[in-house]
Amino acid sequence: AQSVAQPEDQVNVAEGNPLTVKCTYSVSGNPYLFWYVQYPNRGLQFLLKYITGDNLVKGSYGFEAEFNKSQTSFHLKKPSALVSDSALYFCAVRDYRDMRFGAGTRLTVKP
Amino acid sequence: DTAVSQTPKYLVTQMGNDKSIKCEQNLGHDTMYWYKQDSKKFLKIMFSYNNKELIINETVPNRFSPKSPDKAHLNLHINSLELGDSAVYFCASSRSGRGTYEQYFGPGTRLTVT
Repeated sequence: AQSVAQPEDQVNVAEGNPLTVKCTYSVSGNPYLFWYVQYPNRGLQFLLKYITGDNLVKGSYGFEAEFNKSQTSFHLKKPSALVSDSALYFCAVRDYRDMRFGAGTRLTVKP
Repeated sequence: DTAVSQTPKYLVTQMGNDKSIKCEQNLGHDTMYWYKQDSKKFLKIMFSYNNKELIINETVPNRFSPKSPDKAHLNLHINSLELGDSAVYFCASSRSGRGTYEQYFGPGTRLTVT
């Protein structure tokens, strides 16, 4: 079965510092990997995805993610964090049937 | 324009009642989904549905049933509500295919069963 794991429940960074939210995956075959963000009392918003090609994927709001096949990871990154980036972040993997989400990582960016 | 909309946003009801949540998407997608997000924010797929196939997560009680009048709508009907059904329910949609397409989520319906 396909799955993703987010090893950190909480990530705290200072505004202006780089941020990383970690995700590892377990799939059979080619992985289709996604990142979503959820702000309080809102639905999930799509940030970016990796399907194939360049290992560095760029997405919305200045986020990017690096696909690493040897480490089975798909970490979300941003060079300079904003207070407004504070939210819940979900990594996900999908096949043709459904999408499976990680448990989520709460990112807090402090001024 | 709202891409994926859900009604109601909040739903408070008593145990044993039957309720429905409506979902509509105007993205032209042919696959729709229902997710349940529990109090710990864990997301679980309940159903995925397109014109050809309904896929049910085997852990979902049969008190839950999706109903799709057309491609743009997927409603969730819940019979005999229980306290454990309290959660936020999200509708989503996507293009069908090999799994390469992202899903677009509605704003959620917070269901509270008392």
